[in-house]
Amino acid sequence: EVQLVESGGALAQPGGSLRLACSASGFNFNIYPMSWVRQAPGKGLEWVSAVNPSGSTTYYANSIKGRFTISRDNSKEMVFLQLHSLRVEDTAIYYCAKRSDYGAFFDSWGQGALVAVSS
Amino acid sequence: ETVMTQSPATLSVSPGERATLSCRASQSVASNLAWYQQKPGQAPRLLIYAASLRATGVPARFSGSGSGTDFTLTISSLQSEDVALYYCQQYNDWPPLTFGGGTKVEIK
Repeated sequence: EVQLVESGGALAQPGGSLRLACSASGFNFNIYPMSWVRQAPGKGLEWVSAVNPSGSTTYYANSIKGRFTISRDNSKEMVFLQLHSLRVEDTAIYYCAKRSDYGAFFDSWGQGALVAVSS
Repeated sequence: ETVMTQSPATLSVSPGERATLSCRASQSVASNLAWYQQKPGQAPRLLIYAASLRATGVPARFSGSGSGTDFTLTISSLQSEDVALYYCQQYNDWPPLTFGGGTKVEIK
């Protein structure tokens, strides 16, 4: 069974930093691209970032480009999202998501990590 | 960027009746469209991919159709457990991957 478990969510101040982690199990992690998707309170889903299986190629939404960094450690079966220069509008639940075999959509999701940015 | 627009924002349907949800893309996404269901307090769950293929374990009352710019998710006979938010997502042209704003399905 595929399991994705996020951690690292917390309350941060504007301008601050956080690091989210996603621990994966139940599938061959090394061959799957992974993404982060976020959901602001009461709002819809917003794709944030993706990383290819080797970690050599990354993609970002314009709203976070230059502030967030995605990475992965295949030996630990983990994917990370480093958040810098946080803004109030970054407040959201951040989901780790596994890409499907059949295209850039998501067949498994974690339970989410809450990031709250407030002074 | 491909903008996805869902309608209506809220859909009230009686139990056992049909629910029809729409998703429109600002440019063609071919059949590269997925639908997700999100219940309160839960992560999204994949329902449909490639516009019309049901994901593993999804009940047959859920069906998807469409191609190009116009797509439909149909729940043939609404059950109480289908009360949720439903999102479409295009994966034809990215980055960015883009989602629609969602349709809330409620029981009338």
